[in-house]
Amino acid sequence: DAGITQSPRYKITETGRQVTLMCHQTWSHSYMFWYRQDLGHGLRLIYYSAAADITDKGEVPDGYVVSRSKTENFPLTLESATRSQTSVYFCASTLAGEETQYFGPGTRLLVL
Amino acid sequence: GENVEQHPSTLSVQEGDSAVIKCTYSDSASNYFPWYKQELGKRPQLIIDIRSNVGEKKDQRIAVTLNKTAKHFSLHITETQPEDSAVYFCAARPPGAQKLVFGQGTRLTINP
Repeated sequence: DAGITQSPRYKITETGRQVTLMCHQTWSHSYMFWYRQDLGHGLRLIYYSAAADITDKGEVPDGYVVSRSKTENFPLTLESATRSQTSVYFCASTLAGEETQYFGPGTRLLVL
Repeated sequence: GENVEQHPSTLSVQEGDSAVIKCTYSDSASNYFPWYKQELGKRPQLIIDIRSNVGEKKDQRIAVTLNKTAKHFSLHITETQPEDSAVYFCAARPPGAQKLVFGQGTRLTINP
């Protein structure tokens, strides 16, 4: 578990501001994922990446941007934050061909 | 795309009794079904999983059953203990994909 970290752990921002959430893993996992967790909705996939420079949309990608220039990092950017993006964000990773997804500790984001 | 429904959303049982959580999925070709446990304020962690070529899997007090015909799978926890109190998520993996589609979650409370 210590191999995947997220920063910041808590963030308060205002509507319209740009926010970047960081995810870093030390396992050299090829796949990385971003989820948001909201009451009543479970974990919803925002974006995922199969490898460096390969990203794809999940269920709820609108309002978010990702990049993956290095295997170990997968930042998530909210280009212009909205109140509806207040949520807990989890990053996860897994090896290609493996099945278990390992989650980071989460980032709690509040958009005022 | 794949859709996973999970029931109930909340479940309260007496310590020592059994708990059952059920999930249904829509894509009959989905081939992997994990269950994650999330304690309060913590990250989701895999507790058990089952592949589509297996009907049942057990690990001590927890078991998962899969009915491919009906497209549903269930988590069974026997002899429940206070430390079983958590939110449990089921998920399904669509064919040819590494991503997971999660259910909405079940908050399980074990009453002493």
